[in-house]
Amino acid sequence: DTAVSQTPKYLVTQMGNDKSIKCEQNLGHDTMYWYKQDSKKFLKIMFSYNNKELIINETVPNRFSPKSPDKAHLNLHINSLELGDSAVYFCASSRQQRGYEKLFFGSGTQLSVL
Amino acid sequence: AQTVTQSQPEMSVQEAETVTLSCTYDTSENNYYLFWYKQPPSRQMILVIRQEAYKQQNATENRFSVNFQKAAKSFSLKISDSQLGDTAMYFCAFNFGNEKLTFGTGTRLTIIP
Repeated sequence: DTAVSQTPKYLVTQMGNDKSIKCEQNLGHDTMYWYKQDSKKFLKIMFSYNNKELIINETVPNRFSPKSPDKAHLNLHINSLELGDSAVYFCASSRQQRGYEKLFFGSGTQLSVL
Repeated sequence: AQTVTQSQPEMSVQEAETVTLSCTYDTSENNYYLFWYKQPPSRQMILVIRQEAYKQQNATENRFSVNFQKAAKSFSLKISDSQLGDTAMYFCAFNFGNEKLTFGTGTRLTIIP
């Protein structure tokens, strides 16, 4: 029973298209995140939500829009995809938004924009 | 600026040996939280160990331990009796009190049979 699951695992699409990545956690956590890992394996936070409320928006282009319908779900919609959006996107959750909290990660969505 | 540096892009060690991965950081904060995460070939990030900056005692989790030198701003990870399953990318990460994790660039560790 996967704790943090995201779909799809792989996404190949053309430049200019719109795509969504879905994430669900069954841990009862209050906080969820989106991280981006580039081709050099560098990980950077994009967004965090706490109880459906946006907390962190880390200078991400407006083409990226997260949506949290409830605290167990955090989806990421990307408009007008660009080549530079190719990366692995990780969803994560934590019990609370406190500094010491362990993050539980999904297995990632590898996005390839052609 | 708050920065995290992992100066060893790649390391390899024989199975059963001990290996130490380095991590240094820069911050003006006094209290913060330090982590090591592992990313095996399966891609999923897994917490290895964590430390609170105000605690003097170094954290240990089975074969994994840290050497936290607050004055030197150093946070290294020691893996004892290394196993093939330890092969992975290792990232140090910090929460500098701003509720988000800042990751280092990672060290690719290969355990050789």
